[in-house]
Amino acid sequence: DTEVTQTPKHLVMGMTNKKSLKCEQHMGHRAMYWYKQKAKKPPELMFVYSYEKLSINESVPSRFSPECPNSSLLNLHLHALQPEDSALYLCASRWGDTQYFGPGTRLTVL
Amino acid sequence: QQQVKQSPQSLIVQKGGISIINCAYENTAFDYFPWYQQFPGKGPALLIAIRPDVSEKKEGRFTISFNKSAKQFSLHIMDSQPGDSATYFCAAPRGGGADGLTFGKGTHLIIQP
Repeated sequence: DTEVTQTPKHLVMGMTNKKSLKCEQHMGHRAMYWYKQKAKKPPELMFVYSYEKLSINESVPSRFSPECPNSSLLNLHLHALQPEDSALYLCASRWGDTQYFGPGTRLTVL
Repeated sequence: QQQVKQSPQSLIVQKGGISIINCAYENTAFDYFPWYQQFPGKGPALLIAIRPDVSEKKEGRFTISFNKSAKQFSLHIMDSQPGDSATYFCAAPRGGGADGLTFGKGTHLIIQP
């Protein structure tokens, strides 16, 4: 099973809301990632977790707060987002060199 | 600085034809070159990948050709089908020991029936 699941599939939120994105994998992968993808653009790396510890933060604004509660779960907490944060948020996990992506959460900020 | 340069930006191919997408990279330390396929509203899915120690890798109708001296690699889709219509991204490790992938800008491929 090479599946990464993400919930919710779609999310609409106001600029004052607090919401969370969830990512789960049960493949035993110890590296997990958050990417952001704007329309007609490639994915851009936001955060990397390795063995449940944050190893890379690509200068992402603090209104995005990642969390890795255990080796199977990755969350992205959202607060006070801006309309320009509307995008497809992708989670991925890695085994060896291969990254497996989830289906993404389509986020719209009003 | 874009570490992986992909072309063309868009491509239209007739059904049954050969689709060719090219990528060039800067960092000679890169040791893994995947191609991802993405359909609208979906996450990228690994299509095929190659390491620099081989010049070609084939999986079904998909072939990667790798030219180490030119620092280029390309994806060939033989007998292209309408179901291959998607966006294709080449990628490479971010380099310098940093985890994660850096992607090319993508190629929007349309296969006409």
